[in-house]
Amino acid sequence: SQTIHQWPATLVQPVGSPLSLECTVEGTSNPNLYWYRQAAGRGLQLLFYSVGIGQISSEVPQNLSASRPQDRQFILSSKKLLLSDSGFYLCAWAGGLNEQFFGPGTRLTVL
Amino acid sequence: AQSVAQPEDQVNVAEGNPLTVKCTYSVSGNPYLFWYVQYPNRGLQFLLKYITGDNLVKGSYGFEAEFNKSQTSFHLKKPSALVSDSALYFCAVSNNFNKFYFGSGTKLNVKP
Repeated sequence: SQTIHQWPATLVQPVGSPLSLECTVEGTSNPNLYWYRQAAGRGLQLLFYSVGIGQISSEVPQNLSASRPQDRQFILSSKKLLLSDSGFYLCAWAGGLNEQFFGPGTRLTVL
Repeated sequence: AQSVAQPEDQVNVAEGNPLTVKCTYSVSGNPYLFWYVQYPNRGLQFLLKYITGDNLVKGSYGFEAEFNKSQTSFHLKKPSALVSDSALYFCAVSNNFNKFYFGSGTKLNVKP
């Protein structure tokens, strides 16, 4: 069966510090991968998605970047965090004619 | 452009009563529709989907949804609500299984 992992679960970082969030998927190959941000427990904002290694689509111009160095690994990064980067970050994968499956999320607080 | 509307920020219902969470969509091509539930500080959990076929789809935890093409709606329903159903519910649509569009979410409160 397929599983999706995200780490860390929680993170507190100072403004101006770098960020790296990691997402890995097991039990499937060539998945579509997604990063979302959720503010204040409400709507999801699609940040990036990838349909293959090295292929990244950016949905919103911002202080973040994404990379997919391996088939089942998706990384969200920032060189310098802003207060507005605080939120709940969700990774998801999808494959074939199927729904998305979400990871447990990372709670990021920027102070 | 593809979009999903969940017109109610919050739905309140008494335990044992039927519940409905509304969703309408706009999409070019064939709509593929999904409902998810989210509990506090958790990822989204899949409830059910409509891809093709019968307009009434049944999913997890006794939930069901009806696809209405003429009204471009996909409302989530349950005949008898439980307190444990209290959570945040998201409707989503895709037309190609590459990109998914989510509604803003509806908070369901089920009171004992």
